[in-house]
Amino acid sequence: DTGVSQDPRHKITKRGQNVTFRCDPISEHNRLYWYRQTLGQGPEFLTYFQNEAQLEKSRLLSDRFSAERPKGSFSTLEIQRTEQGDSAMYLCASSPPGLADNEQFFGPGTRLTVL
Amino acid sequence: GDSVTQMEGPVTLSEEAFLTINCTYTATGYPSLFWYVQYPGEGLQLLLKATKADDKGSNKGFEATYRKETTSFHLEKGSVQVSDSAVYFCALRNQGGKLIFGQGTELSVKP
Repeated sequence: DTGVSQDPRHKITKRGQNVTFRCDPISEHNRLYWYRQTLGQGPEFLTYFQNEAQLEKSRLLSDRFSAERPKGSFSTLEIQRTEQGDSAMYLCASSPPGLADNEQFFGPGTRLTVL
Repeated sequence: GDSVTQMEGPVTLSEEAFLTINCTYTATGYPSLFWYVQYPGEGLQLLLKATKADDKGSNKGFEATYRKETTSFHLEKGSVQVSDSAVYFCALRNQGGKLIFGQGTELSVKP
């Protein structure tokens, strides 16, 4: 399968713990996006990388959230001191170089439950 | 800021019925518009897109026309099938490249 992959698919944690998610984009896609989707809502933009540079961060991304893409390939999203309000589906998407209109291909998501 | 509003669901139709899911947007500039679909247990997939005013996107029998004058991008299909049951998301893409989604509309098609 050469699509966007995310790991883990599900994560259950206790409030106050740190969690880290990984996203592997489609090979040679230089743009990588993170979104968060809560139940009954559409995905909301969190942050965006072009190669290894983080070019935009949403105001939704509090200081407890950090994302990296160290070599311009896979990306990690870390949430420190999780809160119950962080429970959501975290989606990763990638798109190829070229036009900004290029399609974003989404991964299956990581479902986070904070108890 | 930019935003997307789509009709609330769930929408329940009988097989072969006509489908319309309304979507309107607010944006500065000239965004591209998209419909994404999420089938049960699967990830988001692009259904169709339109990049400028009066463009019509189409795929799998679904159509949507970019109407700048009414800031709308309504999704239509002439004859729905049970396999079309899914959640449909309207979205816009601004100059920054990020997608801004509506809240989603769940469609359920009964045989």
